[in-house]
Amino acid sequence: QSALTQPRSVSGSPGQSVTISCTGTSSDVGGYNYVSWYQQHPGKAPKLMIYDVSKRPSGVPDRFSGSKSGNTASLTISGLQAEDEADYYCCSYAGSYRGVFGGGTKLTVL
Amino acid sequence: QVQLQQWGAGLLKPSETLSLTCAVYGGSFSGYYWSWIRQPPGKGLEWIGEINHSGSTNYNPSLKSRVTISVDTSKNQFSLKLSSVTAADTAVYYCARGLKVTIFGVVIRYWFDPWGQGTLVTVSS
Repeated sequence: QSALTQPRSVSGSPGQSVTISCTGTSSDVGGYNYVSWYQQHPGKAPKLMIYDVSKRPSGVPDRFSGSKSGNTASLTISGLQAEDEADYYCCSYAGSYRGVFGGGTKLTVL
Repeated sequence: QVQLQQWGAGLLKPSETLSLTCAVYGGSFSGYYWSWIRQPPGKGLEWIGEINHSGSTNYNPSLKSRVTISVDTSKNQFSLKLSSVTAADTAVYYCARGLKVTIFGVVIRYWFDPWGQGTLVTVSS
């Protein structure tokens, strides 16, 4: 089971929007609506930001949104803020009660 | 509110066995699978495996031969053992609440939340 493919880095200025992609296969991202996204600041544990492709847990700003088309899921952050600078990881269910993560994307707020 | 607290040895020599434990406080212990996830320094996340309250386990195929996850329902704890460690096993190890299935085995939840605080395990001679 290979890791999902994410861009190594993305960047944007405060107030702008950025989108992070997460590409898998029909056996994971494309096959299930169980894609989740995590934000990780340096030295901290990952934090759940999106689950079930597009749902936001309580307390996560509505600036964060998720979507999926075919084998690619996306996380969009609108109205970028300095505190959004972090690493972001996608994760997908891959069948047989197993999961797979993406390689991670470093978001830089310019 | 569910909280996870984990502990275990942080420095191992090659060929030794890694051992970590995660305690679950608050909320329901049954009904979910409880996972171990690791992150090598400067790298991404890797799902290791999971267990439910009944002791049913699922493992990452790439680690399956060396991994054992066990559960102690009397203490709401679950543990990870990884045998024959090498430098490649150096990572921050996290525990997390994950998978949920119906009584018929249908997946109804697949995300990880909450997470433990993480434990850095270093393998060095």
